[in-house]
Amino acid sequence: ETGVTQTPRHLVMGMTNKKSLKCEQHLGHNAMYWYKQSAKKPLELMFVYSLEERVENNSVPSRFSPECPNSSHLFLHLHTLQPEDSALYLCASSQEGNRLRGEQFFGPGTRLTVL
Amino acid sequence: AQKVTQAQTEISVVEKEDVTLDCVYETRDTTYYLFWYKQPPSGELVFLIRRNSFDEQNEISGRYSWNFQKSTSSFNFTITASQVVDSAVYFCALSEPYNQGGKLIFGQGTELSVKP
Repeated sequence: ETGVTQTPRHLVMGMTNKKSLKCEQHLGHNAMYWYKQSAKKPLELMFVYSLEERVENNSVPSRFSPECPNSSHLFLHLHTLQPEDSALYLCASSQEGNRLRGEQFFGPGTRLTVL
Repeated sequence: AQKVTQAQTEISVVEKEDVTLDCVYETRDTTYYLFWYKQPPSGELVFLIRRNSFDEQNEISGRYSWNFQKSTSSFNFTITASQVVDSAVYFCALSEPYNQGGKLIFGQGTELSVKP
């Protein structure tokens, strides 16, 4: 049983819609991540939150807006998306150490389709 | 810059065959971690192993084994006596040093299909 849950598992939205993806981790970790996985492409890191503070934003378009209200929850707010944003969005968490980040544990992902 | 290459895009084997998934990495750092993840059709990535750069001992876990060779910058993964349930996409990843962000750099993945 995974310690990282994501809702919804599937989402279909129009380009003018506003929706949010939710991630929750039950592992007591202090870092959370959003990844995008498009077909035939490596996983792309979008955002990193460490101790509820955003520490990385990999040039992601502003139509993606993350929110981390506490160390267990992470949201990805979506608005005016494009069809090329259709992908699997994965959330992960890890326990950060002094040097290298620990192994990341992933949720099942949200399969997003933008029409 | 760090980079992970999984040259095998797709592999197809028959059940009970052994199969090796290749992973080659590039980094200038002396301290780093290497990972393997499995992504079954359900979508979530399942952590399989983490190996730090100072530990070149090979590891075996059941039917899984990993061969880490710093001399060739490779971290290959072998499944012995493959089973249909092993069918998945497998990702190799390299962790940047913490002072450079510590993020995971993933390879493109190898899709393994094990046929009965």
